[in-house]
Amino acid sequence: ETGVTQSPTHLIKTRGQQVTLRCSSQSGHNTVSWYQQALGQGPQFIFQYYREEENGRGNFPPRFSGLQFPNYSSELNVNALELDDSALYLCASSRRLQGGANAEAFFGQGTRLTVV
Amino acid sequence: DAKTTQPPSMDCAEGRAANLPCNHSTISGNEYVYWYRQIHSQGPQYIIHGLKNNETNEMASLIITEDRKSSTLILPHATLRDTAVYYCIVRVPIEAYNTNAGKSTFGDGTTLTVKP
Repeated sequence: ETGVTQSPTHLIKTRGQQVTLRCSSQSGHNTVSWYQQALGQGPQFIFQYYREEENGRGNFPPRFSGLQFPNYSSELNVNALELDDSALYLCASSRRLQGGANAEAFFGQGTRLTVV
Repeated sequence: DAKTTQPPSMDCAEGRAANLPCNHSTISGNEYVYWYRQIHSQGPQYIIHGLKNNETNEMASLIITEDRKSSTLILPHATLRDTAVYYCIVRVPIEAYNTNAGKSTFGDGTTLTVKP
């Protein structure tokens, strides 16, 4: 148990639809990162949120967007779904330390998205 | 972010030490080395991290070469439950509003199989 909760655990959507995935951070963690993991590959960084603002983004198009709320929970939104968006979406929370690297990130169990 | 290179797979006998290598020859001076593992269908689990000194915790030891271009994760007494994909990543340190802050670049990892 990492204290990071993602919902839903599984989801099936149709191409062209929009989807919202949710993540509750571990208590005391102020930073949330989202990753996409295709089958057989390592997780790919989508973006990170700190203090409700996007603070770093990977190589993903603008139809991937997010939000972080005052309680540090977060949402990942994907518009105009494509078949290649089928993947495991992982949320990781961490605590930003003063003057240095983040403490270790704790991952949720992920949301398995299937686009048909 | 620096890219890491890991062997795609390794085997280890139960009870023996598992030594997992990672090459990060382009690591910059202020990047940390992190290790995670991912057991099938679960989110990645943090193992250990370090900057330039060797580190040890209850799960593993991390040996970083003096030039910091490579590292080795050591599981001292591997068990069947250690069978997983192990990821070595390097992370840009957190600075306020640095657009690369916290971004973790995962490769494809090493699939470690612990055999009876």
